[in-house]
Amino acid sequence: EDQVTQSPEALRLQEGESSSLNCSYTVSGLRGLFWYRQDPGKGPEFLFTLYSAGEEKEKERLKATLTKKESFLHITAPKPEDSATYLCAVQAGANNLFFGTGTRLTVIP
Amino acid sequence: ETGVTQSPTHLIKTRGQQVTLRCSSQSGHNTVSWYQQALGQGPQFIFQYYREEENGRGNFPPRFSGLQFPNYSSELNVNALELDDSALYLCASRTGTGRNTGELFFGEGSRLTVL
Repeated sequence: EDQVTQSPEALRLQEGESSSLNCSYTVSGLRGLFWYRQDPGKGPEFLFTLYSAGEEKEKERLKATLTKKESFLHITAPKPEDSATYLCAVQAGANNLFFGTGTRLTVIP
Repeated sequence: ETGVTQSPTHLIKTRGQQVTLRCSSQSGHNTVSWYQQALGQGPQFIFQYYREEENGRGNFPPRFSGLQFPNYSSELNVNALELDDSALYLCASRTGTGRNTGELFFGEGSRLTVL
């Protein structure tokens, strides 16, 4: 059965304090792993796609990496505007994404 | 470029009633999918439409149904509402071809409360 587990559930960081979010997955035949950001009351916003182990993607203060069993979202020197819930998803079939429950990040000024 | 728009943004229904939620896809996108997001959970896939045909469905009962129109807009209908149907309903669109089928553009959702 496909499974996506994100940790921690919640994370509080001081502004400038770097950290990592974890997404471990079990899926038969990974077709892609995706990271999204979701602000309260909004729909998710696409951040990254990773397809194979060893792949890395970067955008501003965020870097996503992928191994055969997990993905990390590294946040370098975060700012308060990085506060959001970060969702990890795997492509489980031809047409759908299977999401984790997210990590709620709070960056304190 | 117009993004994904959903209506209504909030609505309240009572158990047993029926609801229709609407979605206009992003310009140039011919594939629409619907997700249900309960409070504190990740989105769960309901179904997907491509060229007016349902071409994928998650683990949701038949009282969840949908339509896609020639202009690629879409509706989600839920019959015989239950309390557990209370959630944020998200519509997402993308182009129907290419490798990046997980790169979805989401609307802001319709918040449904069932009393």
